[in-house]
Amino acid sequence: KAGVTQTPRYLIKTRGQQVTLSCSPISGHRSVSWYQQTPGQGLQFLFEYFSETQRNKGNFPGRFSGRQFSNSRSEMNVSTLELGDSALYLCASSPGTAHYGYTFGSGTRLTVV
Amino acid sequence: GQQVMQIPQYQHVQEGEDFTTYCNSSTTLSNIQWYKQRPGGHPVFLIQLVKSGEVKKQKRLTFQFGEAKKNSSLHITATQTTDVGTYFCAGLDAGGTSYGKLTFGQGTILTVHP
Repeated sequence: KAGVTQTPRYLIKTRGQQVTLSCSPISGHRSVSWYQQTPGQGLQFLFEYFSETQRNKGNFPGRFSGRQFSNSRSEMNVSTLELGDSALYLCASSPGTAHYGYTFGSGTRLTVV
Repeated sequence: GQQVMQIPQYQHVQEGEDFTTYCNSSTTLSNIQWYKQRPGGHPVFLIQLVKSGEVKKQKRLTFQFGEAKKNSSLHITATQTTDVGTYFCAGLDAGGTSYGKLTFGQGTILTVHP
């Protein structure tokens, strides 16, 4: 059973640019969540999608957005990149109810210069 | 908003010693989950606790959920070098609208000296 796949693994972008990260969940999983991990702030929730609908959103500025497609694949976009956006972005999938653990992908390491 | 505090931040042990990390939530939780992240890796799901006072064991690991569903602990007996990593607790708020929104503790970084 394939795990959660995130692409790309590494990205280097310049301040002001935008970036799109991709996540393919485990087959059959309908919920996809995104997290930002930094040494200072730890793991912080960005948003969660289920059946193409955003069900929950964290406390991030509007520059962070996401979407989910009908095949449950998800993308997140960050516009007008800032140096502070440098982080490991993790995607996690689950069947979609509250009582399952989440399977994380290996993440995308974004560096903003 | 919901906060999850985890202590200690660091723990250094000799191989064979026991290890415990504690989590405390500012709000009542629907459930609490534990994850392990190896250096350079991603969080890997260990277990989920749902019921008040629940205790679960996985080999040398023992997980507890408090009676008030606001605190939890992970205890490792006789640590091994393979236990090295960061252990995170993550809570789902009991408010009913917390879909996918795990609130993570800051994690406990465990190092094991052989």
